[in-house]
Amino acid sequence: KQEVTQIPAALSVPEGENLVLNCSFTDSAIYNLQWFRQDPGKGLTSLLLIQSSQREQTSGRLNASLDKSSGRSTLYIAASQPGDSATYLCAVRPTWLGRLYFGRGTQLTVWP
Amino acid sequence: EAGVVQSPRYKIIEKKQPVAFWCNPISGHNTLYWYRQNLGQGPELLIRYENEEAVDDSQLPKDRFSAERLKGVDSTLKIQPAELGDSAVYLCASSLAGENTEAFFGQGTRLTVV
Repeated sequence: KQEVTQIPAALSVPEGENLVLNCSFTDSAIYNLQWFRQDPGKGLTSLLLIQSSQREQTSGRLNASLDKSSGRSTLYIAASQPGDSATYLCAVRPTWLGRLYFGRGTQLTVWP
Repeated sequence: EAGVVQSPRYKIIEKKQPVAFWCNPISGHNTLYWYRQNLGQGPELLIRYENEEAVDDSQLPKDRFSAERLKGVDSTLKIQPAELGDSAVYLCASSLAGENTEAFFGQGTRLTVV
C-alpha cells in the first residue's frame, strides 16, 4: 500500500519568507503527484500536477519538484504572503490504481 | 467554467437517520470520485466511477453506504443508517479519463452525526 508523509505538520513564518514543504511516498511506481491547497472549511484547490516523467512544475510563486526514485517531492513557496495561509496536501496516483493517496498535510500560517 | 458542485454544504443529523449527498462534476469529466476526509487527515477514497460504472469501491462500507451515478454525470452518495463515526467531510472530485490527468475537487459536504 502506498503511504504518503508530509513534513512538517505545521509551519508558522513571517511574511516574505521563502519556504519549503516536504512530501515523501513509499512506492515510486506512480503516474503523477499533485499538490493541493485547502482553506478551513473548504474543498481542495489543485495547485500543481507533476507527471512521473517530469522533474518540476512552476506556477507563479510556487515551484514543485519530484524525485521519483527517492520517493520525494517538495513544494517551494517564494515570498510568502498572509493569503498563503492554508493546509497544503500532497497526493500521489499509483500506477496500479486510479485513486489518489494523500498525506495528512502541512498547516501553514504566514503572519504579517 | 463551473467547477465540481456539491450539495448540501453542511448537514447535521441524528444517528440512525439516513443522509444523501449530491455531486455534479465538471462537464466532460468521465471519472468521478467520492472521498471522505476525517479531521486532521488527508482524504481517503470511497468509490471511483468511470462513466456510470463503479470501478473501485473496495473502500466503501457497503453495509450502510451506497452510491450511484446515473447517466454517467451526477452522482449521489447515501448513508443509511448514519453512525457517529461517519462525521467527516465528504468530497467529490472529477477528472478526464486516463492516468495522467488532474483531479478537481468540490467544496465538500461537512456531515455531523449527533
